[in-house]
Amino acid sequence: GNSVTQMEGPVTLSEEAFLTINCTYTATGYPSLFWYVQYPGEGLQLLLKATKADDKGSNKGFEATYRKETTSFHLEKGSVQVSDSAVYFCALSDLYGNDYKLSFGAGTTVTVRA
Amino acid sequence: GAVVSQHPSWVICKSGTSVKIECRSLDFQATTMFWYRQFPKQSLMLMATSNEGSKATYEQGVEKDKFLINHASLTLSTLTVTSAHPEDSSFYICSARVTSGTYNEQFFGPGTRLTVL
Repeated sequence: GNSVTQMEGPVTLSEEAFLTINCTYTATGYPSLFWYVQYPGEGLQLLLKATKADDKGSNKGFEATYRKETTSFHLEKGSVQVSDSAVYFCALSDLYGNDYKLSFGAGTTVTVRA
Repeated sequence: GAVVSQHPSWVICKSGTSVKIECRSLDFQATTMFWYRQFPKQSLMLMATSNEGSKATYEQGVEKDKFLINHASLTLSTLTVTSAHPEDSSFYICSARVTSGTYNEQFFGPGTRLTVL
């Protein structure tokens, strides 16, 4: 079946540091890949997505490239801010029967210190 | 973006009682909503897919008589945990899907923390 494995946290960084969160997936079909972010006390929000191989998703300074050859979708940001402190979830969407469903990684907690 | 609310945000109940959690899409209609369960430091596990006007589709291993789902309108789905026990304590998250042509995105609620004593 499909699964998502992401880097365990927590991750603690200083402001302006470079952030990478690794994510790899296993899928039988051709999934779409997502990164969601959950700020404290809020619901999950879509951060970025990529729907096919070699696509790059980007938003708010974050980027991730869909790498089919390595089955990876690593999240990167060149210079983090305190406001980037959150839990980040990697996910894939694939067709199960007649419907698309999301499979999530365990989440990575990121804390950025001023 | 589309907003999904959940109520209550947290609830504490006694073992053996039933608890209802509401999920509402505030500014859009959703024919499909999803219910997830999240254990501490673990990923979201899909429990069931809720379709307006029809029965929910439950994932393998989820007891449909234990977790009753009703999707009576295009903006409301409810999850009722019946005869709750301490092992049902968890964080429950719903999402509502927007579909238009090839566009397909889920919007998530803030979650409900259930503690069963």
